[in-house]
Amino acid sequence: QKEVEQDPGPLSVPEGAIVSLNCTYSNSAFQYFMWYRQYSRKGPELLMYTYSSGNKEDGRFTAQVDKSSKYISLFIRDSQPSDSATYLCAMRSNDYKLSFGAGTTVTVRA
Amino acid sequence: EPEVTQTPSHQVTQMGQEVILRCVPISNHLYFYWYRQILGQKVEFLVSFYNNEISEKSEIFDDQFSVERPDGSNFTLKIRSTKLEDSAMYFCASSEGLTVEAFFGQGTRLTVV
Repeated sequence: QKEVEQDPGPLSVPEGAIVSLNCTYSNSAFQYFMWYRQYSRKGPELLMYTYSSGNKEDGRFTAQVDKSSKYISLFIRDSQPSDSATYLCAMRSNDYKLSFGAGTTVTVRA
Repeated sequence: EPEVTQTPSHQVTQMGQEVILRCVPISNHLYFYWYRQILGQKVEFLVSFYNNEISEKSEIFDDQFSVERPDGSNFTLKIRSTKLEDSAMYFCASSEGLTVEAFFGQGTRLTVV
């Protein structure tokens, strides 16, 4: 079983729709959960950072962590064409390394 | 807004040559990292560096690789005797602490021919 599983998509939605992304993981030691956005041939850009279980909202973005189910989600409300990118989940325990998902490619159609 | 800066943006090298990838982390950050992403694959952890020494490394980070913080601002990744399979995007990242988020640079695309 892979440590972090993320459906690579691609996911295509109309402008204004809600984008729903998720990752599952197997390592129960993970405590810190992040979502990054990556444009083609660019570095990952941090979107959301959460510690342990719960919800976090930042503008149009909401991150959810359910540690009991080992499941994390990112929701993008009122999606825009500029949200078209690859979204990476990443997580870590108390060590130094981030474990990434494969990334989900999202296209928001105007 | 502070950012992690990497140079060069693209490096082409011949197989067997040595390359040095350079990074300037965010100035008040204490933890530094290198990751790589082979085209179409996951971002993979290579190494972390804290207090002038390697704190953790992956199985990818073998004797071919080394890191250094030669002065107060730069953080470098050296790859000796490059192989075709070393072709990838290499990302530097830094964080203020261990329990906070890491910020990534724009990457260096290494092409080994």
